[in-house]
Amino acid sequence: DTAVSQTPKYLVTQMGNDKSIKCEQNLGHDTMYWYKQDSKKFLKIMFSYNNKELIINETVPNRFSPKSPDKAHLNLHINSLELGDSAVYFCASSQGGGSPYSGANVLTFGAGSRLTVL
Amino acid sequence: QKEVEQDPGPLSVPEGAIVSLNCTYSNSAFQYFMWYRQYSRKGPELLMYTYSSGNKEDGRFTAQVDKSSKYISLFIRDSQPSDSATYLCAMSNAGFQKLVFGTGTRLLVSP
Repeated sequence: DTAVSQTPKYLVTQMGNDKSIKCEQNLGHDTMYWYKQDSKKFLKIMFSYNNKELIINETVPNRFSPKSPDKAHLNLHINSLELGDSAVYFCASSQGGGSPYSGANVLTFGAGSRLTVL
Repeated sequence: QKEVEQDPGPLSVPEGAIVSLNCTYSNSAFQYFMWYRQYSRKGPELLMYTYSSGNKEDGRFTAQVDKSSKYISLFIRDSQPSDSATYLCAMSNAGFQKLVFGTGTRLLVSP
């Protein structure tokens, strides 16, 4: 029973295309995240949602649009894909992270979606 | 300058060695410190976390935090080939909302 599952696992597409990655968690967590890991393994937060509400929006091009239909799902849609978008995108969830008084916020990550833009 | 600095390695050690992995950081507001382990083609998984300064031990793993020096360490005793992975430090402030990661250190333990 996968805790955080994301699809697809691999995605190869041409520049200029639009693509989506889906994420679902069955942990009952309130907060979900998208992280981007580049070729040098640097993991950087992109977005965070708490109970369907956007709480973190890092400096990400507006070609990236997250959508959270409910607290168990967080999808990522990318328009007009560019070569530099090639990376592994990780979805994660946590119980805390939604308020300044959350304390330690332990993230559970999905297995990643490897996006290659040609 | 990145908020969190970590030597990318790779760090190669023989089986049974003691491994020391380190991170430095610049944000004095960080209070929660974590170590994640990431195997190839997998997502990071939490190994240990500590709050503020001090040590925490869990089996072969010991995490140390020195807030005065803005320096954290992870020690692995009796390293095993199965410990070969990338180790990422991560930290956040008390408000938590954003976990900031180091770039990860790739560890290779040879039999």
